[in-house]
Amino acid sequence: SQQGEEDPQALSIQEGENATMNCSYKTSINNLQWYRQNSGRGLVHLILIRSNEREKHSGRLRVTLDTSKKSSSLLITASRAADTASYFCATVANFGNEKLTFGTGTRLTIIP
Amino acid sequence: DTAVSQTPKYLVTQMGNDKSIKCEQNLGHDTMYWYKQDSKKFLKIMFSYNNKELIINETVPNRFSPKSPDKAHLNLHINSLELGDSAVYFCASSQGSPSQPQHFGDGTRLSIL
Repeated sequence: SQQGEEDPQALSIQEGENATMNCSYKTSINNLQWYRQNSGRGLVHLILIRSNEREKHSGRLRVTLDTSKKSSSLLITASRAADTASYFCATVANFGNEKLTFGTGTRLTIIP
Repeated sequence: DTAVSQTPKYLVTQMGNDKSIKCEQNLGHDTMYWYKQDSKKFLKIMFSYNNKELIINETVPNRFSPKSPDKAHLNLHINSLELGDSAVYFCASSQGSPSQPQHFGDGTRLSIL
């Protein structure tokens, strides 16, 4: 069954505000990755966080990982219209076949 | 310079036909993938090749056959197309393990009439 569930499914905020998306997963992981998908385009890798890391930053992005709760969050600060996209978490289990298992995605709309 | 390119971008065809989608990457990666994204945006791995060898083969009908002529190319051939095959198919690549960040093409939107 699907590994990740994301919350909320859709989020609309004003430009300049912060956006937070959450991801929950079911099994023990090797790492967790976040991807962005603009309409009609492929996915773009944003950030990877390993199972032994708790927080990671990249520019305006901040990712946290709580392995005890099997959850992660992606924070985008000072949002811009160009951040409008769908955001997906993806996990790599630390057993069995190594493969990315994607969550359901959050559709983020930034209102100018 | 396109890193992962797929052709065609759109494919509209009749049920029962056979079609192919081509993928090429110029990143020097040794692992390539095919994913299927359905109408609800759910993305699922179908196949993965590492240095031309099949390493991931999910539960996919055997009407779908991937072929990797070299590590920069991974094609997908689909026989006897069905209505349920309508989706967006994405090619991706990574260096080494599938646990590494993956680079995606822009997808092929397949519509079955």
